Amino acid sequence: EAGVAQSPRYKIIEKRQSVAFWCNPISGHATLYWYQQILGQGPKLLIQFQNNGVVDDSQLPKDRFSAERLKGVDSTLKIQPAKLEDSAVYLCASSLERGGKTQYFGPGTRLLVL
Amino acid sequence: GDSVTQMEGPVTLSEEAFLTINCTYTATGYPSLFWYVQYPGEGLQLLLKATKADDKGSNKGFEATYRKETTSFHLEKGSVQVSDSAVYFCALSVNNAGNMLTFGGGTRLMVKP
Repeated sequence: EAGVAQSPRYKIIEKRQSVAFWCNPISGHATLYWYQQILGQGPKLLIQFQNNGVVDDSQLPKDRFSAERLKGVDSTLKIQPAKLEDSAVYLCASSLERGGKTQYFGPGTRLLVL
Repeated sequence: GDSVTQMEGPVTLSEEAFLTINCTYTATGYPSLFWYVQYPGEGLQLLLKATKADDKGSNKGFEATYRKETTSFHLEKGSVQVSDSAVYFCALSVNNAGNMLTFGGGTRLMVKP
């Protein structure tokens, strides 16, 4: 079974530029999560989707971050404009259903904002 | 709110030593508890989990017991190997919070030959 796929693996941009990350969850997984992991810290949830609807985006900085999952499968997370403090690893995870307790993580996208 | 506290690292051990990484939690509901491991350059992998009090999760020689009375989920292994060197994250999820994971800060384990 293929795991969670993410791209790109690495991205370097200058502050105030835009960037987008892509995630393809495990086939059949209805729930998709985006986490931000700052160096030396545990991941923090940014947004959770159930199919193509948003379940929780309370910790998403909506003035600069946006995310979508239009067809209920893959998802895109965008930052516009980026700030230095956005440098982090962005992790995508999926689970079979909202009540499913195990989340499976992708390899992450490492973002460096200069 | 929900939170997880882990012992700070790095933890440095010799091969075959006994490992304990402490984890305590606070939760608004009845949580499920997890240990995830992150090997260098890789993503998070689920190591083990427990979904109710007194459950013991185990995998690859690692164990952790869900202790509701002490709100703890300490990770243990009887004999570590160099290949166990990684960062270990304790986490919880609460069903009424959409099963989002709340992570601790992570504990880096370094095992020397």
